[in-house]
Amino acid sequence: DAGVIQSPRHEVTEMGQEVTLRCKPISGHDYLFWYRQTMMRGLELLIYFNNNVPIDDSGMPEDRFSAKMPNASFSTLKIQPSEPRDSAVYFCASSLQTGIEQYFGPGTRLTVT
Amino acid sequence: GEDVEQSLFLSVREGDSSVINCTYTDSSSTYLYWYKQEPGAGLQLLTYIFSNMDMKQDQRLTVLLNKKDKHLSLRIADTQTGDSAIYFCAEIARVDSSYKLIFGSGTRLLVRP
Repeated sequence: DAGVIQSPRHEVTEMGQEVTLRCKPISGHDYLFWYRQTMMRGLELLIYFNNNVPIDDSGMPEDRFSAKMPNASFSTLKIQPSEPRDSAVYFCASSLQTGIEQYFGPGTRLTVT
Repeated sequence: GEDVEQSLFLSVREGDSSVINCTYTDSSSTYLYWYKQEPGAGLQLLTYIFSNMDMKQDQRLTVLLNKKDKHLSLRIADTQTGDSAIYFCAEIARVDSSYKLIFGSGTRLLVRP
């Protein structure tokens, strides 16, 4: 099993640009989670999906953030427009059941200048 | 509200045992977790314990759970330099109508040769 796959691994962009982060969950997993990790705030859950349906997006910081899961094997997290304070490592995770045995991808390190 | 607390740093000598401690607040948590994060990598699920257990052992890892005090610990026997990483404690917490994984701020373990 390839594990959770995220792309790109690193993204550097200028303020105001649109950023799209991608995630492929482990095949057969029903749940997909997007997290953000910063030094100041630690790990924060942004949104999670069950069977491609967003269940809880209360962690999404602003309307500039949006996430989609068009099918069971692909999800995107989009930031438009991006701001320097969005700089962080964004992780995608998937699991068979809610929260039990969540498996994390390697993360995307986003730098907004 | 839900909160998970950990000490920030632990330094041990190679071959000694390491004990990383964590306290949590949600007494209804059904599962408690330990994740490991190496530099530049995602979070790796090390082990988890169901709340009706007080101990779980997995090779060099021993998890102890004290539900009365809401205290969780991870003991690593015969600590190796490869164990140097950040260790996150996490609990499942019910927030509104959904379950979320709530992470501590992480304990950085440094193993000295």
